[in-house]
Amino acid sequence: SAVISQKPSRDICQRGTSLTIQCQVDSQVTMMFWYRQQPGQSLTLIATANQGSEATYESGFVIDKFPISRPNLTFSTLTVSNMSPEDSSIYLCSVQFRGNQPQHFGDGTRLSIL
Amino acid sequence: DQQVKQNSPSLSVQEGRISILNCDYTNSMFDYFLWYKKYPAEGPTFLISISSIKDKNEDGRFTVFLNKSAKHLSLHIVPSQPGDSAVYFCAASDAGGTSYGKLTFGQGTILTVHP
Repeated sequence: SAVISQKPSRDICQRGTSLTIQCQVDSQVTMMFWYRQQPGQSLTLIATANQGSEATYESGFVIDKFPISRPNLTFSTLTVSNMSPEDSSIYLCSVQFRGNQPQHFGDGTRLSIL
Repeated sequence: DQQVKQNSPSLSVQEGRISILNCDYTNSMFDYFLWYKKYPAEGPTFLISISSIKDKNEDGRFTVFLNKSAKHLSLHIVPSQPGDSAVYFCAASDAGGTSYGKLTFGQGTILTVHP
């Protein structure tokens, strides 16, 4: 199976700053997604990262707060902008190799905002 | 609006016995269901899935049952092993019988298997 690498694995950031999270896959994938898991909560889809075009955001998430890039079929970034303590979460990248296969997840980025 | 619910936050089972994890959903458009297992400091790992055209799918020690009329699915683990201790998430999609696109997750159930 493919290897999904997320960087950084964890970070502690100051309020008002931004952090970019990277997701790298060692083979080409059809779809890439970004999820958030707030403390004690379920996983919630933030957006679908579309290769070569703007990401598709779920209700409650906006591009200004969570800009996403996907320059090719193996790489995507998620930026958490102007962070506040409410953004303290685990951010997870997932990939789908083909349409009728399950999504596979990276190990996540544990983000704490002071 | 929690469309996928796992009402049991935790479950404790003796090694060798059966573990049964439950999941309920409210969205009748969901037609593909998955179970993921998550260890601390790791991402969720896919376990098993089922399409709405089936009512059972089996893979080794893991069996998923789907009751569409009750909008209920369950994961059976037999026999349970201490290495099965993890958080189990139920997830659902409405992408034409595939897991394509958005997954909606339940809150998770912490399974502890005692030796």
